[in-house]
Amino acid sequence: QVQLQESGPGLVKPSQTLSLTCSVSGDPISGSNYYWTWIRQPAGKGLEWIGRIFTSGTTNYNPSLKSRVTISVDTSKNQFSLKLSSVTAADTAVYYCARSPGGYDLYYYYYYMDVWGKGTTVTVSS
Amino acid sequence: QSVLTQPPSASGTPGQRVTISCSGSSSNIGSHTVNWYQQLPGTAPKLLIFSGNQRPSGVPDRFSGSKSGTSASLAISGLQSEDEADYYCATWDDSLNGLCVFGTGTKVTVL
Repeated sequence: QVQLQESGPGLVKPSQTLSLTCSVSGDPISGSNYYWTWIRQPAGKGLEWIGRIFTSGTTNYNPSLKSRVTISVDTSKNQFSLKLSSVTAADTAVYYCARSPGGYDLYYYYYYMDVWGKGTTVTVSS
Repeated sequence: QSVLTQPPSASGTPGQRVTISCSGSSSNIGSHTVNWYQQLPGTAPKLLIFSGNQRPSGVPDRFSGSKSGTSASLAISGLQSEDEADYYCATWDDSLNGLCVFGTGTKVTVL
């Protein structure tokens, strides 16, 4: 049974870089046919897709965050990571990592998050 | 920044049927399958419906999804107290080189 666990600092200063890691157990990232995704949710608000990485290293980012986001994968550690630079208070949120099947099914493109981590709260404050 | 519109709230008594709408456009719902997530208070979202009307193992068949044009719906039949949660629709969007977009979310209250 695959499980994901986010880890990283819970407090980041404004203008610094937020760095989080998602550790995957029960499913090797290497050779898998999944995307590995980051999502965030400010307190009391909705979900925002940050971006994803495929096993091959191909990435897609939310255009609203693209200039500040880097997602990478370390198959030797079975982990993938998120870096968000130049953070402000607006980046304060619960950050989730997730496993994502994606591809074409006859006529439609499908992409969804089928396994989620429990989330980690990141606060941006001096 | 949500491009998918949902009603902020919905409610029903136990046993009733509740429907949640999700309105999008030709670049998202009109072109791709829709997924639904359930988020119980204080927990991570959970996949409820994928690829339009498929349920992951363990999700009761009381939950069903449908789509027509650029809108989608989630129906909960036989509403139960444990269904009280936030529900989000989501799909892929072809604009701006592609991204996943979520709905604004709907809080379901069991009266």
